[in-house]
Amino acid sequence: DVKVTQSSRYLVKRTGEKVFLECVQDMDHENMFWYRQDPGLGLRLIYFSYDVKMKEKGDIPEGYSVSREKKERFSLILESASTNQTSMYLCASSFSSAKNIQYFGAGTRLSVL
Amino acid sequence: GQNIDQPTEMTATEGAIVQINCTYQTSGFNGLFWYQQHAGEAPTFLSYNVLDGLEEKGRFSSFLSRSKGYSYLLLKELQMKDSASYLCAVILRGSGTYKYIFGTGTRLKVLA
Repeated sequence: DVKVTQSSRYLVKRTGEKVFLECVQDMDHENMFWYRQDPGLGLRLIYFSYDVKMKEKGDIPEGYSVSREKKERFSLILESASTNQTSMYLCASSFSSAKNIQYFGAGTRLSVL
Repeated sequence: GQNIDQPTEMTATEGAIVQINCTYQTSGFNGLFWYQQHAGEAPTFLSYNVLDGLEEKGRFSSFLSRSKGYSYLLLKELQMKDSASYLCAVILRGSGTYKYIFGTGTRLKVLA
């Protein structure tokens, strides 16, 4: 079974803190994605990566950065957390193919106080 | 712009059939997915359509009409465990990469 593991289920941080969200997949997938999920807004793509050290901005990259130093790991960084970044963060991975099924981690619920 | 629409909420009775619709306006269409997401859990893959027509998988079926920008997910013999959000997602082909766009999801409540 495909496994996508996010390092934390729940996180509470203070405004201005630097926050790292880690995601690891064990299926040798080329693509990895970070989304945030908010009520009424659905899943919105923050960043994605289609190869090691490669990254592309999604629809809402402002306030975030990412790092992919190894194929299996994709990190989301909040340089200076703000209260409007309180959300559920979902990581996903997939092969690079036309039928591009995404496999999701369980999510990290981040609260910024 | 790229847009996906689906109803916010639906209610149905155990044992019944329910159809969840999804309409989309996109460019570079390369397929449509349905995912199921139980509260507090990760979305999980249900179905994929790239050609027009119906794909059946047990109690779940998904239909696509590319010319109309329309899909539906059909759930038969509803069970309580089918209470979840159902996400419609379109995969777009860009310059060498693929990108997903998700609808906001339809929350289905199954009543006894």
